[in-house]
Amino acid sequence: ILNVEQSPQSLHVQEGDSTNFTCSFPSSNFYALHWYRWETAKSPEALFVMTLNGDEKKKGRISATLNTKEGYSYLYIKGSQPEDSATYLCALAHDMRFGAGTRLTVKP
Amino acid sequence: GAVVSQHPSRVICKSGTSVKIECRSLDFQATTMFWYRQFPKQSLMLMATSNEGSKATYEQGVEKDKFLINHASLTLSTLTVTSAHPEDSSFYICSASGYRGGGNEQFFGPGTRLTVL
Repeated sequence: ILNVEQSPQSLHVQEGDSTNFTCSFPSSNFYALHWYRWETAKSPEALFVMTLNGDEKKKGRISATLNTKEGYSYLYIKGSQPEDSATYLCALAHDMRFGAGTRLTVKP
Repeated sequence: GAVVSQHPSRVICKSGTSVKIECRSLDFQATTMFWYRQFPKQSLMLMATSNEGSKATYEQGVEKDKFLINHASLTLSTLTVTSAHPEDSSFYICSASGYRGGGNEQFFGPGTRLTVL
């Protein structure tokens, strides 16, 4: 992997469902990974900064894990709510190039 | 409160004019600033990275003579869209990286909506 890649590109879930998506990145020379929640034409909202292999961070119903050896981070949302609908972006701290994002839609 | 400001928040201009967008870090020194552009229905695309006092590093495909970036101080970076055309209409957002409150953090400005007529 040369750049940050995110999957799936989009996701539609029902309210109350739990969901997760992936950010893959080159595992060499890792420094830190940022996760953001972003709504179009607005400023991204910082969720997590992941730094250590095995890191697991939580903020309310949202959590994230990090595996620097294999080059991926998962973002989990438990009990999705319509207000969780947004695009979730990840970026490596050393260059801040975002992945294409995962666009989440939560249906009531 | 906001730690990075952008000005203006919205600008409409005629084709052929130049537009300057300011990005300021409000309570910390931003050693690095990033400029992004959002194309319709796409993610934020990094345009360039600027370190205070040095020339910006542009991403492949971004015209440096078209999008002039100046990072003259630790609290201010500017993006000037020169001879703007309708295809330059977009949402431009900056982020600033620096030490604040004991840790190196990244903060985004609120963005600037540029419309070129």
